[in-house]
Amino acid sequence: QQQVKQSPQSLIVQKGGISIINCAYENTAFDYFPWYQQFPGKGPALLIAIRPDVSEKKEGRFTISFNKSAKQFSLHIMDSQPGDSATYFCANGGSNYKLTFGKGTLLTVNP
Amino acid sequence: DAGITQSPRHKVTETGTPVTLRCHQTENHRYMYWYRQDPGHGLRLIHYSYGVKDTDKGEVSDGYSVSRSKTEDFLLTLESATSSQTSVYFCAISEGTDYGYTFGSGTRLTVV
Repeated sequence: QQQVKQSPQSLIVQKGGISIINCAYENTAFDYFPWYQQFPGKGPALLIAIRPDVSEKKEGRFTISFNKSAKQFSLHIMDSQPGDSATYFCANGGSNYKLTFGKGTLLTVNP
Repeated sequence: DAGITQSPRHKVTETGTPVTLRCHQTENHRYMYWYRQDPGHGLRLIHYSYGVKDTDKGEVSDGYSVSRSKTEDFLLTLESATSSQTSVYFCAISEGTDYGYTFGSGTRLTVV
């Protein structure tokens, strides 16, 4: 089973700060690296994703940085807001569009 | 969540009883997946389907079976529920053009 190792398990950031979550993957055969966001009592929702032909993708305050040689990718949340408090999952793609998820990072943004 | 519903939302059952969870989609997506979510383990794939009557095992398939007799419905059955199957179960769908999933709202299952 290909693994996706995510860190940290939990993260506390002050409002306006930068949140950084890291992910290391093993399966280099597939080319899709998404981040999902999950609020309590809800299912995860796709936040942002990157393909390895680019090193960075930005959508609003959310940025994915991708390092193919290190087999790592990270999520940066700029100007973090209390509404960003959620659990974040990275994932790596497999055959039949299966996703293997990291164990998640619980982000708390204090006001 | 738009286009995908799970039922029931909550269920308490006794050890040893069979349980069936239902996932229903209105998006006509080819791929459907069942995941379980547990503290410290994240989301783990149980079974998935890549078409009507086409299913395969995921990472944690022991004790579970699935069926997909039509595009819109994907059923997850716990043949004989155990306490270790207490979890939150999520269904997800994908149209297969990329890896973007739409998840349902989940079923919280408690086995006592």
